[in-house]
This record gives sequence, C-alpha cells and structure tokens, in this order.
Amino acid sequence: GNSVTQMEGPVTLSEEAFLTINCTYTATGYPSLFWYVQYPGEGLQLLLKATKADDKGSNKGFEATYRKETTSFHLEKGSVQVSDSAVYFCALSASGGSYIPTFGRGTSLIVHP
Amino acid sequence: GAGVSQSPSNKVTEKGKDVELRCDPISGHTALYWYRQSLGQGLEFLIYFQGNSAPDKSGLPSDRFSAERTGGSVSTLTIQRTQQEDSAVYLCASSLELWYEQYFGPGTRLTVT
Repeated sequence: GNSVTQMEGPVTLSEEAFLTINCTYTATGYPSLFWYVQYPGEGLQLLLKATKADDKGSNKGFEATYRKETTSFHLEKGSVQVSDSAVYFCALSASGGSYIPTFGRGTSLIVHP
Repeated sequence: GAGVSQSPSNKVTEKGKDVELRCDPISGHTALYWYRQSLGQGLEFLIYFQGNSAPDKSGLPSDRFSAERTGGSVSTLTIQRTQQEDSAVYLCASSLELWYEQYFGPGTRLTVT
C-alpha cells in the first residue's frame, strides 16, 4: 500500500536558520504530493503541492520538489521565522489504485528568537 | 467563500452514549473525508465519500463507527456506545476531486468521560 515517511520531530531552530524536513513516499501510480501545516490551535491548511515529477511547489518562502527517482518531497526554507513554528505534514493522494490519502506522522518545528 | 465547517466544536459525553458529528463541506466539492487525530499523533483516515460512489469505509476502527453523506453535501459521523479511547479530534476535509488538495475544517474535539 501507499505510505509516507517523514523525519521525527521536534525540529528546533533559531530564527533565520535553514530548514529541511525530509519526506519520502511509497505509492503505485503517479501520486500528487502535498505539505500541510497546522499552526498551534488551528486546523490543517495546505502549504504547497506538486502534481508531477520535477514540479516544485512553493509558498510563504517554503519549497519542495517532487523527485520521482528518489521518491522524495523534502520541505525547505532558507530562513525560518518564529511564526513558522507549527506541525508539518507530508501527504500524498494517488490516482489509480487506492484513493485513500496518506499522511506522514507530522514533524513539529519550534523556532526560537 | 465559506470553508469547511464542523459542529460541535467540542463535545463531552459519557462512556456508552452515542454522538453525532457534523461536517459541511465546501460547495461543489465532490470528495469528503473524515479523519481522527489523537494527541500528538498523525491523522488516522476513517472514511471518504466521492460523488455518488459507494464510500470507502476501510478506515473505520469498529462497527460502532458509521457515516453518511446526504445529497452529496453534508456528512454526519456517528459513534455508538462511545468508549474512552474514542477521545480525539475528529477532522473533516473536502476536495474538488479525490486526488486534489484537501481543505480541512476546524475539527470536533470529542472527550469521553
């Protein structure tokens, strides 16, 4: 079946540090890939997406590139802010085969001033 | 436009009672999903509906859980004879089609005492 594996948290960084949260996936067919973010006390919201190989999703300074050869979709940001503190979820939704969306366990990011 | 709404936002119930949780998806979205999120855990898929197709109930943890979607819009998740382990945040999401990005509601926090 489909699966998503993302790095364990929490990730603790100082403001303006570089961020990478690793995400790898297993899926049949050609899934779309997503990063969702859950800020403290709020619901999940889409951060960025990519629908085919080599696509780069970007939003709010975050980027992730759909790498089919390494089955990865790592999230990066060049300079994090305190307001980026949240839980980040990598997810996929496949076309063909299983349509059940698959989420990673989430990675908590804590950014200190 | 209006997002996904859920009601109630909080529900406290006694063990053994039945509860109903409601979800109003974004108008025009054909797919609707229910998830469960326990404290510090990722998202556990419960069920999805897509248009007029039979729902995928493969994630429902027991026969105490059921869900319906009326008229392709509003959905109700019912938990019968609640147990303490049912305590969690129940999230609803909708998407334009099954493989598109999901829009999440704020969730219903269920506490079984």
